[in-house]
Amino acid sequence: EPEVTQTPSHQVTQMGQEVILRCVPISNHLYFYWYRQILGQKVEFLVSFYNNEISEKSEIFDDQFSVERPDGSNFTLKIRSTKLEDSAMYFCASSIPGQGAGNTIYFGEGSWLTVV
Amino acid sequence: AQTVTQSQPEMSVQEAETVTLSCTYDTSESNYYLFWYKQPPSRQMILVIRQEAYKQQNATENRFSVNFQKAAKSFSLKISDSQLGDTAMYFCAFMNLNRDDKIIFGKGTRLHILP
Repeated sequence: EPEVTQTPSHQVTQMGQEVILRCVPISNHLYFYWYRQILGQKVEFLVSFYNNEISEKSEIFDDQFSVERPDGSNFTLKIRSTKLEDSAMYFCASSIPGQGAGNTIYFGEGSWLTVV
Repeated sequence: AQTVTQSQPEMSVQEAETVTLSCTYDTSESNYYLFWYKQPPSRQMILVIRQEAYKQQNATENRFSVNFQKAAKSFSLKISDSQLGDTAMYFCAFMNLNRDDKIIFGKGTRLHILP
């Protein structure tokens, strides 16, 4: 069964450093997402991406965050200058609308980011 | 704005018992999907079951079934013959179909299946 893959599974970084989290969505999907889950809290929406542009973003997704689909397969989340409060599990997800199994968002296994 | 509420932060049941997890939501939309996701200790997000709002029939997936009450905006998950591997955090989630919208999650219910 196709799946969303994420790398790295775990990254430790120093405060102020740039981090790039990578994702390979399911190949025929059209919508891509990043979500965040701070330890012990609920999963929060960060951003959605469609047709090579951001379609929606939350208030969490400030100027320190950016997303890119550089080559038609990868979907990246960049945090320019990490803060301690960025420590969280980051989930990439993808979906395809309109089909029988569509409108369902499939999640990757997550990238656990620890900022020290 | 849509909201999803899970009123049970934590539950424990004996193996082989049936357990029901509650979820209510608030929306003014008529066209949406509802989901239950499971998050085991590995923290992966696994889709358990989904329900299209326009369908009156409750969705079922093997031991998992839902009780979807659209008028009451209620979407509970029933796990029958619970197994140790069902131990996980369970998130109820909502998605508006009228646009390429995000999923909105509840705060989750931590379910412990006891041997």
